[in-house]
Amino acid sequence: GNSVTQMEGPVTLSEEAFLTINCTYTATGYPSLFWYVQYPGEGLQLLLKATKADDKGSNKGFEATYRKETTSFHLEKGSVQVSDSAVYFCALLTGTASKLTFGTGTRLQVTL
Amino acid sequence: DTEVTQTPKHLVMGMTNKKSLKCEQHMGHRAMYWYKQKAKKPPELMFVYSYEKLSINESVPSRFSPECPNSSLLNLHLHALQPEDSALYLCASSHVDRGVGYTFGSGTRLTVV
Repeated sequence: GNSVTQMEGPVTLSEEAFLTINCTYTATGYPSLFWYVQYPGEGLQLLLKATKADDKGSNKGFEATYRKETTSFHLEKGSVQVSDSAVYFCALLTGTASKLTFGTGTRLQVTL
Repeated sequence: DTEVTQTPKHLVMGMTNKKSLKCEQHMGHRAMYWYKQKAKKPPELMFVYSYEKLSINESVPSRFSPECPNSSLLNLHLHALQPEDSALYLCASSHVDRGVGYTFGSGTRLTVV
């Protein structure tokens, strides 16, 4: 079956620090990969996506590259802000209108 | 319009009540989803509708009853819930073909008393 493994949180960083949140996956076929962000008290927002190997998704300074050889989709940002504090979910999708499989989520807290 | 709108945002209901959660989108998406999210956990899929027909039911108890009256609307009817059903209920929609990701609503926070 499909599964997503994320690094355990919480991750606490000072503002302007470099962020990496690791994500690895197991899937049958060729999944599409996503990062979603959930701010406190809100729903999920699509942060970025990649649909095939070596694609790089990017948005709001965040980046992730679809690495088929290492089955990874690590999230990075060069300089985090306090406003980036949220829970980040890595997810994959295979098939048509089927399940979006989520990782357990990683809470990021950015302090001044 | 690029949003999924969920109402109400908050709901408190007793175990004998009947209530409904509503979800609406006008992006032309023909797949719609209900997810349940407990605190500090990822969302868990409950139901998938594809072209207004139920395509996936993740063994959800019958006290949850989904309905998709048209391509823009998705309802979740609630009856005789238990306190452990208290959670954030998220609606999402997408195009049917894979790879484009889902658009989520902001959710309904349900408390069962």
